[in-house]
Amino acid sequence: QSVLTQPPSASGTPGQRVTISCSGGTSNLGINYVYWYQRLPGMAPKLLIYRNNERPSGVPDRFSGSKSGTSASLAISGLRSEDEADYYCAAWDASLSGPVFGGGTKLTVL
Amino acid sequence: QVQLVESGGGLVKPGGSLRLSCAASGFTFIDYYMGWIRQAPGKGLEWVSYVGNSGSYTDYPDSVKGRFTIFRDNAKKSVDLQMDSLRGEDTAVYYCARAVYCGGKCYLPDFWGRGTLVTVSS
Repeated sequence: QSVLTQPPSASGTPGQRVTISCSGGTSNLGINYVYWYQRLPGMAPKLLIYRNNERPSGVPDRFSGSKSGTSASLAISGLRSEDEADYYCAAWDASLSGPVFGGGTKLTVL
Repeated sequence: QVQLVESGGGLVKPGGSLRLSCAASGFTFIDYYMGWIRQAPGKGLEWVSYVGNSGSYTDYPDSVKGRFTIFRDNAKKSVDLQMDSLRGEDTAVYYCARAVYCGGKCYLPDFWGRGTLVTVSS
């Protein structure tokens, strides 16, 4: 059971906007940044969003992040087939004194 | 570009030991914390260990504390994970990761390797 809670699956059609939620608690998302990662099949996880809503260079602005209280969201607009991947949220947990992750959301592009 | 390449995974019996290695390139290795993160079959990601820039600081979750040891060699730009007293629940893909500072005591991964599979089974 992961400390951060994500829906196991999400789906959308090309061009659509989809959001993936991440729910935590007062010791992690409530006081610390959320990070988001994308893992394409057979590939290394890739950082998509850091510090709640910042994008590393090279990440398209179709990807955006937000956080409010103990919940966070990743939004993908203009969905493409190459966005089909697993998405994970992460945050530092002050009680555990370590990073915690969501269980992952498998995004299917229909 | 940043590259992290893991090696050393394989099949090991319960109670046995295994040492994973991660070779880093494409960045100034000594400037970063490094760590290992794992994913057991059908489960989420779990942090396994961190090592600070010089190697003197290390940290582990309770699930592996006392059994796993992380080492780094800044001259060789590598980070190893020595895993002893292995259990079935340690079966997972193990990822090497570079960590960035995110405030307070926070370090989170920004680059990952592709992972190496460790299977603990008799």
